[in-house]
Amino acid sequence: AAGVIQSPRHLIKEKRETATLKCYPIPRHDTVYWYQQGPGQDPQFLISFYEKMQSDKGSIPDRFSAQQFSDYHSELNMSSLELGDSALYFCASSLFGRSEAFFGQGTRLTVV
Amino acid sequence: AQTVTQSQPEMSVQEAETVTLSCTYDTSESNYYLFWYKQPPSRQMILVIRQEAYKQQNATENRFSVNFQKAAKSFSLKISDSQLGDTAMYFCAFMNTNAGKSTFGDGTTLTVKP
Repeated sequence: AAGVIQSPRHLIKEKRETATLKCYPIPRHDTVYWYQQGPGQDPQFLISFYEKMQSDKGSIPDRFSAQQFSDYHSELNMSSLELGDSALYFCASSLFGRSEAFFGQGTRLTVV
Repeated sequence: AQTVTQSQPEMSVQEAETVTLSCTYDTSESNYYLFWYKQPPSRQMILVIRQEAYKQQNATENRFSVNFQKAAKSFSLKISDSQLGDTAMYFCAFMNTNAGKSTFGDGTTLTVKP
């Protein structure tokens, strides 16, 4: 069965650079969630989209933005990167109204 | 806001034995879901088991079962016949049926010893 695809799997950026993370949800899933997991920490909710509209917002810095496109894939744009942005970024998708959210394998971002 | 608490940062168990991981949560909601996720060294987030709050029957999934005590806001995970492949970080998570996002506990690192 198709799963959530995230790209790239690994990304190394320098401070103050920009990064774009992509997420391709499971086919027919209309809801996408983004989470940030720092080293040794639990995943923290950043933002979610339902039918291309932002549905909820968590602890996402103003330097970050995200959107969901017409094909339901989503992109997380991160600007003015800081060392503290180094983390594993998960995307998850679900079908609205269903409880199960399926996680991608994550993008490991390292800011140097 | 919901909170999820896992009071056991680390646990270990001998292979083939049974272990129980604890989780408590706090919410004013009546309808919600609870999950246990497994995160092995690969860092993949794998759903182990889920429980709907409106269901009294405890969820089971092969060697994994939960003890859901709604009044006590407790949601523990029991792993029977532990296997070496069960070694991982385990996260308890809460999801409000209206919000969709999940709130995670701090995690419990489980080590299964041969």
